[in-house]
Amino acid sequence: DTEVTQTPKHLVMGMTNKKSLKCEQHMGHRAMYWYKQKAKKPPELMFVYSYEKLSINESVPSRFSPECPNSSLLNLHLHALQPEDSALYLCASSQLPQGANEQFFGPGTRLTVL
Amino acid sequence: AQSVTQLDSQVPVFEEAPVELRCNYSSSVSVYLFWYVQYPNQGLQLLLKYLSGSTLVESINGFEAEFNKSQTSFHLRKPSVHISDTAEYFCAVSEENNDMRFGAGTRLTVKP
Repeated sequence: DTEVTQTPKHLVMGMTNKKSLKCEQHMGHRAMYWYKQKAKKPPELMFVYSYEKLSINESVPSRFSPECPNSSLLNLHLHALQPEDSALYLCASSQLPQGANEQFFGPGTRLTVL
Repeated sequence: AQSVTQLDSQVPVFEEAPVELRCNYSSSVSVYLFWYVQYPNQGLQLLLKYLSGSTLVESINGFEAEFNKSQTSFHLRKPSVHISDTAEYFCAVSEENNDMRFGAGTRLTVKP
C-alpha cells in the first residue's frame, strides 16, 4: 500500500466551527507532514512529526492544532479559522531521515472558511 | 538553508514538441532533488528524484532530469509532450534531516 489517504475531500466551515482533518498511511513511514497550499502557489510546510513527536512547527497560528495519535494517523484540528485560511491542505509521509527520502502526498482536503 | 528557483512560471508548448522546465537550487551541503507533478484538484505525485549515483534520472512516462552540480541545476526535460502532461510542476530540494523546500512551480500547458 503506497497511498496516503485524507478525509474529508471537501470541507466548508464557519469561523466559529470546530472541525478536524484526517490523514492515514500504512507504508511504515515515521515522518508525517501537514502543508497548506493556496491557489497557484507551492505547498507551505506547517508541521512535521517524527516518531509521533512534533519536530517542526513553522510558526502556525494556534487555531491549527496537529495531533499524531499513532505512527499511521495524523490529524489537524481546526478552530476559529479565518476566511484567509481557505486552501488545499495536504498531508504527506516519508521514511526517516527526512530530507533524504521522497515524500508521498495525499489528495488533499479543500477547505473553505465562510 | 537550501532554496530552489524555478525560472519559468508558465511554459506553453504544442503537442509532440520538446520541453524543458528549469530548476536551480542553492545549498552549502549535499542535496537531494525532486520533481513533483500536480494535476488540478489533486495532491503532488513524485515524478523523479536524484538522491545519489547517476546524474541522469528518468521517470516511467518519458520525463528525465539531470543533476548538474557545477551549475546547481536540475532541469526537467521531455522530448515529446502530450496533452495529458498539462499540469503544475514543482522542483524541490532537501538536505539530510532538513525539510523539503519547493520552488514556486511551473505551469506546463500543452496545446493541440
